[in-house]
Amino acid sequence: DAGITQSPRHKVTETGTPVTLRCHQTENHRYMYWYRQDPGHGLRLIHYSYGVKDTDKGEVSDGYSVSRSKTEDFLLTLESATSSQTSVYFCAISASPDENSPLHFGNGTRLTVT
Amino acid sequence: AQKITQTQPGMFVQEKEAVTLDCTYDTSDPSYGLFWYKQPSSGEMIFLIYQGSYDQQNATEGRYSLNFQKARKSANLVISASQLGDSAMYFCAMREGVDKLVFGAGTILRVKS
Repeated sequence: DAGITQSPRHKVTETGTPVTLRCHQTENHRYMYWYRQDPGHGLRLIHYSYGVKDTDKGEVSDGYSVSRSKTEDFLLTLESATSSQTSVYFCAISASPDENSPLHFGNGTRLTVT
Repeated sequence: AQKITQTQPGMFVQEKEAVTLDCTYDTSDPSYGLFWYKQPSSGEMIFLIYQGSYDQQNATEGRYSLNFQKARKSANLVISASQLGDSAMYFCAMREGVDKLVFGAGTILRVKS
């Protein structure tokens, strides 16, 4: 199994509070991704990183920011959580940007915004 | 525009039989990769199989095979000799260019004993 750890695994927070989710990898992969999973939508890309301090937006980036200060860590921050951000969040890593390289996923973080 | 379409929200299969999960995709890029992932009830995403757009032969990984029909833009997953442990959500995904993986909405498979 790819060495990807997401923390926390579960979190309940209140509307309007900031929340940070952490993804830690031990594979030394350059490419890291944050996805959210919602029923009927599959997984949708929030942000991704192609190196330390290099990040870009995905299709559902509004309300989220990311940071990557070290190769192994990729943080996802909800600046002011809303109920629509209740979801399961997955971190993924990839060794290569090429179309033949699979993404490997962490075990997910279940976030509930009340 | 929907890039990955999985038309079967749910499927049932009898244990030990084969099942095909459908996936169609849309792209104008000549170079792309197609992937299938399994998500059991425990929630993790497990990579199953990959097919490249230039591959001449269908990919196989154990009991999994990918029926790739490029002209039809379809990449169906075939699971042979189904087992109870195959009950899960299955996602088809496509990777274009240099960055992201785009997913379909998924198909829930239930294996009956």
